[in-house]
Amino acid sequence: DGGITQSPKYLFRKEGQNVTLSCEQNLNHDAMYWYRQDPGQGLRLIYYSQIVNDFQKGDIAEGYSVSREKKESFPLTVTSAQKNPTAFYLCASRRGQGRTDTQYFGPGTRLTVL
Amino acid sequence: AQSVTQLDSQVPVFEEAPVELRCNYSSSVSVYLFWYVQYPNQGLQLLLKYLSGSTLVKGINGFEAEFNKSQTSFHLRKPSVHISDTAEYFCAVSEKKGKSTFGDGTTLTVKP
Repeated sequence: DGGITQSPKYLFRKEGQNVTLSCEQNLNHDAMYWYRQDPGQGLRLIYYSQIVNDFQKGDIAEGYSVSREKKESFPLTVTSAQKNPTAFYLCASRRGQGRTDTQYFGPGTRLTVL
Repeated sequence: AQSVTQLDSQVPVFEEAPVELRCNYSSSVSVYLFWYVQYPNQGLQLLLKYLSGSTLVKGINGFEAEFNKSQTSFHLRKPSVHISDTAEYFCAVSEKKGKSTFGDGTTLTVKP
């Protein structure tokens, strides 16, 4: 089955530690996205990538970093510089840059900082 | 810049009753509008989308939405809801460069 996988589903981290969230897709999509979801705030864009080896900051990139070395993979690192990292993180992909294209979402990773 | 406003943060409704979830948008260019559904602790999945043509769009699970350009709205409706429709619903507008703007979400709670 084609789709997007995120791992782990739940992640606990101590303050001051970096942590990397995995996102893999086998849809052969060019574009990939990372969103953060907090209660009552909808989805906020962290980073996005339209093509391999290229990515752009979204609206709330501070304290996060990404890489796009392979088309199917777009890992997100939450660094110790992120002041309030506890949230639900969603990865998505899209066939291309077309505005009519649907985004496909992974199941999410819930990160809790202890 | 484009923006999306979902007018109700929570909508409680009894089973088999009709429901409308409201979404307004602002945009200076032609719009492409989407409704997504999110079940607890899961990702989002597409319900329906408006790209062009007929203003009444039918989606999965019996949902439909009507695009109203003069009122800049894209309200989601279902004539008879089920318990299984309990979820969070997001309206989104597609922007340039492959980005999307999402509303803050509406939590639909269907009661028996």
